[in-house]
This record gives sequence, structure tokens and C-alpha cells, in this order.
Amino acid sequence: NAGVTQTPKFQVLKTGQSMTLQCAQDMNHNSMYWYRQDPGMGLRLIYYSASEGTTDKGEVPNGYNVSRLNKREFSLRLESAAPSQTSVYFCATTPGLSSYEQYFGPGTRLTVT
Amino acid sequence: EDKVVQSPLSLVVHEGDTVTLNCSYEVTNFRSLLWYKQEKKAPTFLFMLTSSGIEKKSGRLSSILDKKELSSILNITATQTGDSAIYLCAVGDNRKLIWGLGTSLAVNP
Repeated sequence: NAGVTQTPKFQVLKTGQSMTLQCAQDMNHNSMYWYRQDPGMGLRLIYYSASEGTTDKGEVPNGYNVSRLNKREFSLRLESAAPSQTSVYFCATTPGLSSYEQYFGPGTRLTVT
Repeated sequence: EDKVVQSPLSLVVHEGDTVTLNCSYEVTNFRSLLWYKQEKKAPTFLFMLTSSGIEKKSGRLSSILDKKELSSILNITATQTGDSAIYLCAVGDNRKLIWGLGTSLAVNP
């Protein structure tokens, strides 16, 4: 029982490159979230998915796209990376939107040069 | 605009001290308030407080929700070096969590 897993753990991109961050959970949770965490800015919600087949924008969605591939997997794509997207990215899950206790993955540290 | 404010931003104490961390909020559709601990990795859940559960305790950690004052405190007694971390407060509305910036606690031996 791995909980929430994220790949990769670290990534360095050049400006303009694209990549997809992967998140998978084996907790049978319905809702999944993508956050970024930056010094002095706290955790900011990028996108979330209330349930399989639905996605919604969070606080800072610009420059990102998401796919809720199935109940287990929720991916985050950067189409054209910018230095401002250098951050630590966390995926989180809850049983449903009305359940507030979120379980986090280990994070992906992304650097865009 | 909904917001969650934590204070102080950082704190340095000696082992054995007692600390109190504060969280205040202005959230239109308040449902719950949560405390998380973050060491050098992902946040881990500590407590959730709601209108029906305004006080929680686990070992040396305890938390109280004051719905009248729109705030919460997290107390840590007899602090240990392992308590060094960032403590995050978040408030749940109808659909998501609104996060504070955290309090960075350093416990020196």
C-alpha cells in the first residue's frame, strides 16, 4: 500500500520544454489535487479533480494543464516551462470534496533554467 | 477574498519549552480547520477541528478552535528537537483548503 506516489522526484528543464508530472494513489480516493509550494508563498492550489472525469482550476492554473486519467491517476502538464514555474509540486488526495484531511505525495522538485 | 493568517512566521525555542502557534481565518464557507506538520518533505496531518469538535489532543500536542474569534491555536508542550518543522494551518470551505503560510519552529537542544 504505497499511498500517494509522484514521479519524477527531481527534474531540471530548460525554458520552453514540456513535461508531465505523474501522480497515482491506491487509497481509492475520489478527489485529487495539485499544489505548488514556493518560499514565502505557501501551498497554492493549481488544479483539482473532485472525481474521475472532472477537473477544475485552482488559484494558479495558468501555464498548466491536467488530466484525470482514471480514479487512480492525476497528471499535471507544463506545455512550455518558464523559470517562474520552478517550485516543489505536491499531489494530494481526499476521499471526497467534503473530506478535508488531505494525504500528500512526496513531491517533485522542478527547476526551470 | 478568503484568507488564513498564521503567526508568528518563525520561532526559536529551547528543548522543554512550551510553544503556542496561532492561526486566524476569514473564510466565507468555513467547514473545518486543519493543522499539518511539514519537515523536509510533504505535509503530514495532525488535527482537524470542526464546529462539532473544537478541541483535539495527541500526546504533547493540542489544538483548540475558537469559532467566535475565527482562530485556532496549536500548543506543543515539553518541546523536543524532533518538533522542529513548519506547522501549516488550513481551512476547508465547500470544495478546497485555503492554506496559511506556516510557522517555522526551531527547537534547539
